[in-house]
Amino acid sequence: GAVVSQHPSWVICKSGTSVKIECRSLDFQATTMFWYRQFPKQSLMLMATSNEGSKATYEQGVEKDKFLINHASLTLSTLTVTSAHPEDSSFYICSARDLAGDHEQYFGPGTRLTVT
Amino acid sequence: AQKITQTQPGMFVQEKEAVTLDCTYDTSDQSYGLFWYKQPSSGEMIFLIYQGSYDEQNATEGRYSLNFQKARKSANLVISASQLGDSAMYFCAMREYSNTGKLIFGQGTTLQVKP
Repeated sequence: GAVVSQHPSWVICKSGTSVKIECRSLDFQATTMFWYRQFPKQSLMLMATSNEGSKATYEQGVEKDKFLINHASLTLSTLTVTSAHPEDSSFYICSARDLAGDHEQYFGPGTRLTVT
Repeated sequence: AQKITQTQPGMFVQEKEAVTLDCTYDTSDQSYGLFWYKQPSSGEMIFLIYQGSYDEQNATEGRYSLNFQKARKSANLVISASQLGDSAMYFCAMREYSNTGKLIFGQGTTLQVKP
């Protein structure tokens, strides 16, 4: 099956710094990638939809200036958490849809962010 | 707006028995897809099964089957012959094909399989 990777798998950063998370589709092309956030024992909350070569579409309530999303190629999308605060600590998961596929959406393994 | 509801925060099942995880949805679209994912403690999202809104037959994948009742807007997951490795969080999700194809998730159900 198709593989989506995320890097890093976990990161600890200090409050006020920025952190970049990469999401790559390894063996397929993805025009659309999605970024989710998940707090412990809760559901995945969609943050934004990322389209290759265009601006991301953010869900209501998600600060676009705080969560910068770039989708520069068909295999790479990045999420940058700017000026991170402890409340940004969460599990961030990306997913991608295969251009050539039908309904499947493939998920990355997630990135656990801890802001101290 | 699309909405997915899972009303069972936690479920227990005895090993080798079957269990049903409930999922109801709300949408005004005619074309949509329903998904079930398993999330073990490692955090990875594992795709289990898919049902399209126009599919007349209930989807099955090995020990997983989806009880799709379109008129009632329900898409329950049935796991047969439960195994200890089935203990995980299970999410129901829906995609409206007219709406960027984004996948929206229900609240999740934590399933624990007892030996």
